[in-house]
Amino acid sequence: QLQLQESGPGLVKPSETLSLTCSVSSGSISSDSYFWGWIRQPPGKGLEWIGSIYYSGTTYYNPSLKSRVTISVDTSKNQFSLKLTSVTAADTAVYYCTRQWEQYQFPRLSDCWGQGTLVTVSS
Amino acid sequence: DIVMTQSPDSLAVSLGERATINCKSSLSVFHSPNSKNYLAWYQQKPGQAPKLLIYWASTRESGVPDRFSGSGSGTDFTLTISSLQAEDVAVYYCQQYIDFHHITFGPGTTVDIK
Repeated sequence: QLQLQESGPGLVKPSETLSLTCSVSSGSISSDSYFWGWIRQPPGKGLEWIGSIYYSGTTYYNPSLKSRVTISVDTSKNQFSLKLTSVTAADTAVYYCTRQWEQYQFPRLSDCWGQGTLVTVSS
Repeated sequence: DIVMTQSPDSLAVSLGERATINCKSSLSVFHSPNSKNYLAWYQQKPGQAPKLLIYWASTRESGVPDRFSGSGSGTDFTLTISSLQAEDVAVYYCQQYIDFHHITFGPGTTVDIK
């Protein structure tokens, strides 16, 4: 059964860059049937899609975050990563990595989720 | 952007009774070429990651109990729990995935036991 595991610092200072990695196990990130995405959830709030990447490197980003987000993939390590620059307290959230269906070469719903990791932005 | 709204914000239902959650999209999520509604429902229990329950508006994910059902088309959708169980206490989110440039979620509906 596919497993996703987020890793990275739990505390980031304001104006710095948040960096997280998702390790995929029991499945290949190079599958042509899926995208790989990041979704976040501020404490006590709802879900926000951040962006998605295909194993080829094709990316789609939430327009509201696009200027600060980079998602990359490392097929040799079966991992994908998130970088979010110039963070503020508003970026404090649980960050989930997910597997997303691919359809017509675009990302769709998330059918498998990591457990999530809390990232706090604070000095 | 497609804005998703849900109602009610929260509801409390007696064990064994029906729970109904509504979801509305600001634009239709129906894709004519394949006649599918790009609408999913997720369940999030306290302290856990969301779990996919339903996709294409009415198809249950494998392993999801048949007391969960989805219906609707276009812009109006419903998630029904036919006989609420204690383990169904959770927040439920709808999501549209027709707009792959900006996949969006509803704000969530909290279901509790009365």
